[in-house]
Amino acid sequence: GNSVTQMEGPVTLSEEAFLTINCTYTATGYPSLFWYVQYPGEGLQLLLKATKADDKGSNKGFEATYRKETTSFHLEKGSVQVSDSAVYFCALGGTSYGKLTFGQGTILTVHP
Amino acid sequence: DGGITQSPKYLFRKEGQNVTLSCEQNLNHDAMYWYRQDPGQGLRLIYYSQIVNDFQKGDIAEGYSVSREKKESFPLTVTSAQKNPTAFYLCASSITKRDSPLHFGNGTRLTVT
Repeated sequence: GNSVTQMEGPVTLSEEAFLTINCTYTATGYPSLFWYVQYPGEGLQLLLKATKADDKGSNKGFEATYRKETTSFHLEKGSVQVSDSAVYFCALGGTSYGKLTFGQGTILTVHP
Repeated sequence: DGGITQSPKYLFRKEGQNVTLSCEQNLNHDAMYWYRQDPGQGLRLIYYSQIVNDFQKGDIAEGYSVSREKKESFPLTVTSAQKNPTAFYLCASSITKRDSPLHFGNGTRLTVT
């Protein structure tokens, strides 16, 4: 079945540091890939997505490229801010809409 | 503004009691979902509904029940049969198109003692 593995956290960075959160997946077919973000006490929000191999999703300075050859969708940001502190989830789309498979989440804390 | 409303934000119950979590959306989405979030385990799908008066079990449906009598509403009942009910519960909705994003509510934290 489908599965998603994220790098273990928590990740602690200083403001303006470079961020990478690794995500790899196992799936049959050609799934869509997503990054969601959860701020404290809130639900999840879609951060970015990619629907086919070599697509790059981007939003708010975050980027991730769908790499079919390495089955990866790593999240990157060149310069993090304190306001980026949150939990980040990588997710895999199934054959039907909405039924996503989520990774375990990575806690990011950014210090001033 | 359109969105998903979950209530209450915090809920406390005694073991052995059933409890119902509310989820209402005004996004005019056909599909609605319930996920459970536990620390270090990501989100797991409990139930989902693609249309009014129809719903399907997700990966961890045992001990839960749902109804979908109106398009806007998808309440979740946590029954006494659920062995570990203490968790953060998230409701979501989407249009019925592949790759469409999920829109989440702010969640209900249920504590059973």
